[in-house]
Amino acid sequence: DVKVTQSSRYLVKRTGEKVFLECVQDMDHENMFWYRQDPGLGLRLIYFSYDVKMKEKGDIPEGYSVSREKKERFSLILESASTNQTSMYLCASSPADEQYFGPGTRLTVT
Amino acid sequence: AQSVTQPDIHITVSEGASLELRCNYSYGATPYLFWYVQSPGQGLQLLLKYFSGDTLVQGIKGFEAEFKRSQSSFNLRKPSVHWSDAAEYFCAVGPGGVGTGANNLFFGTGTRLTVIP
Repeated sequence: DVKVTQSSRYLVKRTGEKVFLECVQDMDHENMFWYRQDPGLGLRLIYFSYDVKMKEKGDIPEGYSVSREKKERFSLILESASTNQTSMYLCASSPADEQYFGPGTRLTVT
Repeated sequence: AQSVTQPDIHITVSEGASLELRCNYSYGATPYLFWYVQSPGQGLQLLLKYFSGDTLVQGIKGFEAEFKRSQSSFNLRKPSVHWSDAAEYFCAVGPGGVGTGANNLFFGTGTRLTVIP
């Protein structure tokens, strides 16, 4: 079975802190994705990566950056967390024709 | 522009009753279509997907969906709902194309399903 893991299920950070969300997949997938999920808005794509060191902006990249130094790991970085970044963050990976999701990280910024 | 509409925010059904969740999409080309389910506090799990061929697709957990090109719809159905089906359901559309079909997925806003015993 494909396994996508995220470093934390719940995270509480203070405004202005630098936050790292880690995602690891074990199936050698080329593509990896970061979404945020908010009630009534569904999933919105923040960034995706189709190869090591490659990244593409999604629909809402402002306030976020990403890093992919190894194929299996895709990190989402909040350079200076703000309260409007309180959300559920979902990571996914894909070989091409299906996305596999991690369990999510619920981030609260106070 | 691409879009996915799930017109029902919340649906309540009795256990054992049939279920239909609606999904309409707007996309320039022939898209790839997906239904995902999210149980409380969990990530998304793929129920089924449509790329081409038979317009009625079978998925896991007894779900099926029918692609209707003329109506730009991909509705999800289940003949008899179980209490464990209570969850949030998301329809998604992708650009299609071998090797890229699941990239750049666009998700609907979801339908929350409540099941009454």
